[in-house]
Amino acid sequence: GAVVSQHPSRVICKSGTSVKIECRSLDFQATTMFWYRQFPKQSLMLMATSNEGSKATYEQGVEKDKFLINHASLTLSTLTVTSAHPEDSSFYICSAVPGRYSNQPQHFGDGTRLSIL
Amino acid sequence: GQQLNQSPQSMFIQEGEDVSMNCTSSSIFNTWLWYKQDPGEGPVLLIALYKAGELTSNGRLTAQFGITRKDSFLNISASIPSDVGIYFCANSNAGKSTFGDGTTLTVKP
Repeated sequence: GAVVSQHPSRVICKSGTSVKIECRSLDFQATTMFWYRQFPKQSLMLMATSNEGSKATYEQGVEKDKFLINHASLTLSTLTVTSAHPEDSSFYICSAVPGRYSNQPQHFGDGTRLSIL
Repeated sequence: GQQLNQSPQSMFIQEGEDVSMNCTSSSIFNTWLWYKQDPGEGPVLLIALYKAGELTSNGRLTAQFGITRKDSFLNISASIPSDVGIYFCANSNAGKSTFGDGTTLTVKP
């Protein structure tokens, strides 16, 4: 149980393109999902907390107009990297927590490798 | 914010050896989590700990929640090549997690 699906797994596109990444909880409902960014050989860096039916909460230093988050249902959150540039190239990972409020662990998607040329 | 100090940063071991890694913090936590990440994939939960002193096993993996609630360790017994990867400790507070910097494990056949 607690499967999180992330799509696409890899994106290669030109500078200036906007890229949408989807995160779905397949067998549970998730009021809260999280978006992380990970650089090579580094830990996961939390970008934002995605809350179903309300605005996302962004971490300090993360541009909300650059990284648009929509969490329109209890099983889907999307991250759109707008007008992506080479410095946005990274590994983006989403996670979801079962239930509404809990200390249950996050369950992660398999990540999206974004490469901007 | 909260910071987790994870050590060692990397380990190179022979197949069959036991492994131990740990995580410490200056803050008290109610939950300790251990994840493993394979290259190009998302982290996978290995063990979750919810009580101080709790010792939990998952196959060859054993993790403990420190009595002070400020530390945790993960042991892997009789390592095998597929144990290779990055191991992260994390806490969980109202669903939000903070991650350690990871321990990269290399296992030589």
